[in-house]
Amino acid sequence: GQSLEQPSEVTAVEGAIVQINCTYQTSGFYGLSWYQQHDGGAPTFLSYNGLDGLEETGRFSSFLSRSDSYGYLLLQELQMKDSASYFCAVRAPRAAGNKLTFGGGTRVLVKP
Amino acid sequence: EPEVTQTPSHQVTQMGQEVILRCVPISNHLYFYWYRQILGQKVEFLVSFYNNEISEKSEIFDDQFSVERPDGSNFTLKIRSTKLEDSAMYFCASGQQGNTEAFFGQGTRLTVV
Repeated sequence: GQSLEQPSEVTAVEGAIVQINCTYQTSGFYGLSWYQQHDGGAPTFLSYNGLDGLEETGRFSSFLSRSDSYGYLLLQELQMKDSASYFCAVRAPRAAGNKLTFGGGTRVLVKP
Repeated sequence: EPEVTQTPSHQVTQMGQEVILRCVPISNHLYFYWYRQILGQKVEFLVSFYNNEISEKSEIFDDQFSVERPDGSNFTLKIRSTKLEDSAMYFCASGQQGNTEAFFGQGTRLTVV
């Protein structure tokens, strides 16, 4: 089976940096994805790590350590619009349908 | 920018009725998925579809569920006899390749009464 653990909630102020950790246990692993979801909205792709290391996309960066079954999403220069839920998701190999298995989500609340 | 579209946005149905949720994936995508999210919970995988057949399905996707790509553009999820616990947001997603990002539609909120 698959299980992913991430904190349930984080609160920070505008301009701050937030790191959301994700640990996973999985029977099949192709990569780790991160999605953002605003209340009532669809999951929106943020970042993907297939190999160890850091991927940077603007204010958002994601890191993966396959040996530690661990990754994180780094949100920099927080803005009010970043208030949302953030999900890590393990991408399964093609033989397992390329499915995404999502963590429980981290609700990020950005305060002025 | 191309997007995945889903209809209807909200459907209310009586327990035991059949529902069909419709999705139009992005046109050049080859991999299609259905996920669901019960209110306040995580997104759960239901089924993946490639080359006109199911490539993987979860335990949730029992005999009451089926998927179809009837005409090369639409991708549908059918629930034959809805139960109260089927109430959730259902998301369709598509990807150009299996190992690239999945684009999600805005979802259909299914309410079974």
